[in-house]
Amino acid sequence: QVQLVESGGGVVQPGRSLRLSCAASGFTFRNYAMHWVRQAPGKGLEWVAVISYDGSNKNYPDSVKGRLTISRDNSKNTVYLQMNSLRGDDTAIYYCARDRGIQFWLGHFDLWGQGTLVTVSS
Amino acid sequence: DFQMTQSPSSVSASVGDRVTITCRASQDIGRWLVWYQQKPGKAPKLLIYAASTLQSGVPSRFSGSGSGTDFTLTISSLQPEDFATYYCQQSNTIPWTFGRGTKVEIK
Repeated sequence: QVQLVESGGGVVQPGRSLRLSCAASGFTFRNYAMHWVRQAPGKGLEWVAVISYDGSNKNYPDSVKGRLTISRDNSKNTVYLQMNSLRGDDTAIYYCARDRGIQFWLGHFDLWGQGTLVTVSS
Repeated sequence: DFQMTQSPSSVSASVGDRVTITCRASQDIGRWLVWYQQKPGKAPKLLIYAASTLQSGVPSRFSGSGSGTDFTLTISSLQPEDFATYYCQQSNTIPWTFGRGTKVEIK
């Protein structure tokens, strides 16, 4: 079954760190760039990170650059999001998503996980 | 960053109606425009990419058009399962950005 399953969300205090995981199955994970996209409660979608199929290239919007780090382990079919110095406006559902391109990114997403909620609050 | 402006923000329609949603980019994005559907409590679903190409498995009542800065998503005959929020996204330039969404509600 082709799917992405996120984990690692929860309640965290401002300034602390959290690591999210996304386990892929049912497709050749090492061929695809992967993304994280977030959605604040009741709000729209915001792309926050991409990693190339082999992990050699990464990119982020300025809003998270320096605080969020994406990584992957192709031997475990898993992509991660390390979140440091968390702030209240990082509160959101975090979705892991697969890029539609194979071995290059197209910047849009054809497979999504169910999401994991991160709440930043004291 | 490329700003994406969707209109309307919400629309009330009945089953069988034709519904059109527009999306305007702040700069020319060619045909690098994507549409998603999101239902409450669920992840978004890819509907259309490259402005007008239907993703596999998406019903043909959905169609997309446009290029440059102006784009439309049309649902030719609204079905009960189509009541949802629709987002456009530009995939032309990093950072990839989304519109604020259009909620299609039952009239």
